[in-house]
Amino acid sequence: EPEVTQTPSHQVTQMGQEVILRCVPISNHLYFYWYRQILGQKVEFLVSFYNNEISEKSEIFDDQFSVERPDGSNFTLKIRSTKLEDSAMYFCATHLSGNTEAFFGQGTRLTVV
Amino acid sequence: AQTVTQSQPEMSVQEAETVTLSCTYDTSESDYYLFWYKQPPSRQMILVIRQEAYKQQNATENRFSVNFQKAAKSFSLKISDSQLGDAAMYFCAYRSPYNTDKLIFGTGTRLQVFP
Repeated sequence: EPEVTQTPSHQVTQMGQEVILRCVPISNHLYFYWYRQILGQKVEFLVSFYNNEISEKSEIFDDQFSVERPDGSNFTLKIRSTKLEDSAMYFCATHLSGNTEAFFGQGTRLTVV
Repeated sequence: AQTVTQSQPEMSVQEAETVTLSCTYDTSESDYYLFWYKQPPSRQMILVIRQEAYKQQNATENRFSVNFQKAAKSFSLKISDSQLGDAAMYFCAYRSPYNTDKLIFGTGTRLQVFP
């Protein structure tokens, strides 16, 4: 069964450092998303991406965040200068079209120290 | 803006019994999708079941079924013959029908299953 793959599974970084979280979507999927989940809280939308551009972003997705699909396959989330409050589980999700369900990757646990 | 509410932070059920998790939502849209996702301790998000708002028939997937009440904006999940492996966080989620629309999640219900 096709799956969304995220790397790394766990990343520990120092405050102020840049991190890049990677996602390999299911090959024919067209719509890509990043969500985050702070421990014990609900899953929150960060950004959606379609046709090589951002479709929508939340208030959380400020100038410290960026997304891109550099090689047409990987979908990345970059946090330029991490803060302690960026510690969370980050999920990549993709779907084929508007009426199909989203498939989630296994998540990247980001710990900022 | 759409909102999703799960009023039960925790629920418990005995193995082989049936449990119902509640979810309500608020929207002014007439067409949309509703989902239940399961998040086990591994924290992966696993789709359990989906419902299209235009379908009157309640979705079922093996031991999982929903009670979709569109007028009441209610979308509960029933788990029959509960198994130990059903223990997890369960999130209700809403999505508008447009292609790029995001999922809006509730706060989740933690389900414990006792032998």
